[in-house]
Amino acid sequence: KAGVTQTPRYLIKTRGQQVTLSCSPISGHRSVSWYQQTPGQGLQFLFEYFSETQRNKGNFPGRFSGRQFSNSRSEMNVSTLELGDSALYLCASSLTLSGTGTYGYTFGSGTRLTVV
Amino acid sequence: DQQVKQNSPSLSVQEGRISILNCDYTNSMFDYFLWYKKYPAEGPTFLISISSIKDKNEDGRFTVFLNKSAKHLSLHIVPSQPGDSAVYFCAAPETTSGTYKYIFGTGTRLKVLA
Repeated sequence: KAGVTQTPRYLIKTRGQQVTLSCSPISGHRSVSWYQQTPGQGLQFLFEYFSETQRNKGNFPGRFSGRQFSNSRSEMNVSTLELGDSALYLCASSLTLSGTGTYGYTFGSGTRLTVV
Repeated sequence: DQQVKQNSPSLSVQEGRISILNCDYTNSMFDYFLWYKKYPAEGPTFLISISSIKDKNEDGRFTVFLNKSAKHLSLHIVPSQPGDSAVYFCAAPETTSGTYKYIFGTGTRLKVLA
């Protein structure tokens, strides 16, 4: 079965712009979580959506937002981009809320965002 | 808040030897702890988990140990193979105000030398 699909794979934006990243979860998975990965910081939790509702949020500024559609696809938006937003953004889907259970999350390959 | 620490940013091991990757967490939880492996340009892939009610889980060459009193996890890979070279993340669950999520460590980059 198809895995988690993230588009685009690479993106270059300038400071002050906004960006929208997309994630299509595994069929049947209703939970989508977003993580930011930067060197030395591991995976930082952004937020989780389950059944079109944001269920959890990490410690990121309000410039980071997301939404989930009725087909469980999710988008993440970052407004007023800053240089420090350059990172790999990973989307993860799970059958259960918050990836609870034996197998946790299935991650996509990520979107590499570079802000110049 | 749950904190997850992987204090070794990198580790080099000879092919065929044992690789031991360590992870410490701060808050005890009754759920699963997870290990993921990540190759460059790919997303993390699930490797192995352990329930908080167990102290060991084995899957082929991979074994995860959980020491609840020390709040410590370790991942053993025996024998190590060059294809195991990747970044390994451990993850521990956290509940805050009724919400639940996984907290990941900063990762350990394993290099297996042929």
